[in-house]
Amino acid sequence: AQRVTQPEKLLSVFKGAPVELKCNYSYSGSPELFWYVQYSRQRLQLLLRHISRESIKGFTADLNKGETSFHLKKPFAQEEDSAMYYCALVSGGYNKLIFGAGTRLAVHP
Amino acid sequence: DGGITQSPKYLFRKEGQNVTLSCEQNLNHDAMYWYRQDPGQGLRLIYYSQIVNDFQKGDIAEGYSVSREKKESFPLTVTSAQKNPTAFYLCASTLKGQGTNEQFFGPGTRLTVL
Repeated sequence: AQRVTQPEKLLSVFKGAPVELKCNYSYSGSPELFWYVQYSRQRLQLLLRHISRESIKGFTADLNKGETSFHLKKPFAQEEDSAMYYCALVSGGYNKLIFGAGTRLAVHP
Repeated sequence: DGGITQSPKYLFRKEGQNVTLSCEQNLNHDAMYWYRQDPGQGLRLIYYSQIVNDFQKGDIAEGYSVSREKKESFPLTVTSAQKNPTAFYLCASTLKGQGTNEQFFGPGTRLTVL
């Protein structure tokens, strides 16, 4: 079955510390994965997608097909990074997305 | 703040009543989606539509219904058959065929059953 797993409900770090939000997926075939972010009182929005291999707001994510993972990383966390982060997998056609349960990142001063 | 709008922001319903949540987009997107967001469960797909007058069930369609009479609009009706309707509902859209699959989300409607 297609599935996205985010094992951590909450990740709490201090400003300047490295951050890694974990995402594992289950998918037969070549996956297309995204990270979406929801800041307080804002809409859910795309952060980055693996196909673009881009760095957004200092975040990167590398697809590891061997470990079926797409972890989100940032070397130095900032307080404004505090938000809810969702990993998502494209499921079949029609641009359907399967979301993980989400990880809340709290960055403390 | 255009793009995708949802109304109302908050909605209260008595048990046994049907309610309709509005979703409108002015992005000229072909595809639209409805998700339900519950704490600790992420987003789950209720219904989706790729073109006008066509829609498909998602993973948790029971107790819900939709229509797609216009490209811009994709209303969701929560019927009395939905056993646990209290939740946060999100509407999204995407430009079909673009290949990027980025979905753009509305601000959401919080439904509470009294």
